[in-house]
Amino acid sequence: KNEVEQSPQNLTAQEGEFITINCSYSVGISALHWLQQHPGGGIVSLFMLSSGKKKHGRLIATINIQEKHSSLHITASHPRDSAVYICAVRVSQGAQKLVFGQGTRLTINP
Amino acid sequence: NAGVTQTPKFRVLKTGQSMTLLCAQDMNHEYMYWYRQDPGMGLRLIHYSVGEGTTAKGEVPDGYNVSRLKKQNFLLGLESAAPSQTSVYFCASSQGRYTFGSGTRLTVV
Repeated sequence: KNEVEQSPQNLTAQEGEFITINCSYSVGISALHWLQQHPGGGIVSLFMLSSGKKKHGRLIATINIQEKHSSLHITASHPRDSAVYICAVRVSQGAQKLVFGQGTRLTINP
Repeated sequence: NAGVTQTPKFRVLKTGQSMTLLCAQDMNHEYMYWYRQDPGMGLRLIHYSVGEGTTAKGEVPDGYNVSRLKKQNFLLGLESAAPSQTSVYFCASSQGRYTFGSGTRLTVV
């Protein structure tokens, strides 16, 4: 079993829909990251969370440390949100390294 | 613009050739990383560095070497390229949040 599991693996929605991507992890962490990668593109850091909730524009990220779960929400989704979203955790023991989920491929149709 | 710069962006190598990928960051970050990304495998850590003059092995270090002689630069070397090293390579630096380079698409034929 992977230490970081994302669901769903693929998600297709219509423009304007509310999107939720989930991430569960099984290790102790010091921080959780949400990353975005457009097709053929680079990787952008969206959020770094250690507790609670963060919001940036139409994106909201939450984390529940006790349940070892995080969600990424996109409100009023747009075709330009189509990308792969990657959850990654920095484990609390050892060097500052990330453990990555497999990613969620999101497609927003106009 | 502040960030992480990777060179080159694309490269085709013949089996057995060598090359060096350069990663440069201007954010004064201590930590730097080299990852490879393959279809269905996600991002895998090759080597990393926790500061100038230090390097350490990641998950998939075989066939690669690295050096961090200056804090702002992290070099990834392939001494004798193999087709299995065909991949997209990403460099990243961090001091909390991570900043990634735009990637190097390497094909070994």
